[in-house]
Amino acid sequence: NAGVTQTPKFQVLKTGQSMTLQCAQDMNHEYMSWYRQDPGMGLRLIHYSVGAGITDQGEVPNGYNVSRSTTEDFPLRLLSAAPSQTSVYFCASSYQTGGDEQFFGPGTRLTVL
Amino acid sequence: GENVEQHPSTLSVQEGDSAVIKCTYSDSASNYFPWYKQELGKRPQLIIDIRSNVGEKKDQRIAVTLNKTAKHFSLHITETQPEDSAVYFCAASDSSGGSYIPTFGRGTSLIVHP
Repeated sequence: NAGVTQTPKFQVLKTGQSMTLQCAQDMNHEYMSWYRQDPGMGLRLIHYSVGAGITDQGEVPNGYNVSRSTTEDFPLRLLSAAPSQTSVYFCASSYQTGGDEQFFGPGTRLTVL
Repeated sequence: GENVEQHPSTLSVQEGDSAVIKCTYSDSASNYFPWYKQELGKRPQLIIDIRSNVGEKKDQRIAVTLNKTAKHFSLHITETQPEDSAVYFCAASDSSGGSYIPTFGRGTSLIVHP
């Protein structure tokens, strides 16, 4: 199993550009989520999904969209990039919500100029 | 919603010393408490977890304790080694259908000096 994969690993955007961060898992996990990690702020939840076709907002959803058309994929879209979105983004999945280990992807380091 | 406080934010120890990281949570319905280790430039990975029906759990040099009454849990690392240097995150969630989204603490940067 590849586990949780993310692409790209690094990305530089200009303010106002849009892009999609890809996330996929091959463990048949129902729960998937996106976090951003900033120095001293820990892991902040952006959006999450409890199954295909179901998504919801986390703590910091503004400026981001998600969709979950399949169990395997959970892309994160930046609509109009801003310097405040410079961060490291992690996708995670787990077998079920709440009481299960979160498996994280390798992360995407995004810089917005 | 759930709120998780983690202390200290930075912990510096000498090799061989013990290290303790503490977390408090606010939602009494939370019943699953994992700890993740994140090495520099890597992804967070689970190192140990505890559920609310257990007071303590050990795995070699690491242990976690849970006090449900006081709503706090702690990570204990004994005989620290340089490879224990990393950022450690605690989290809390409710697996029974309440606030099932895990809430993370802000992390503790552990530095083990050789």
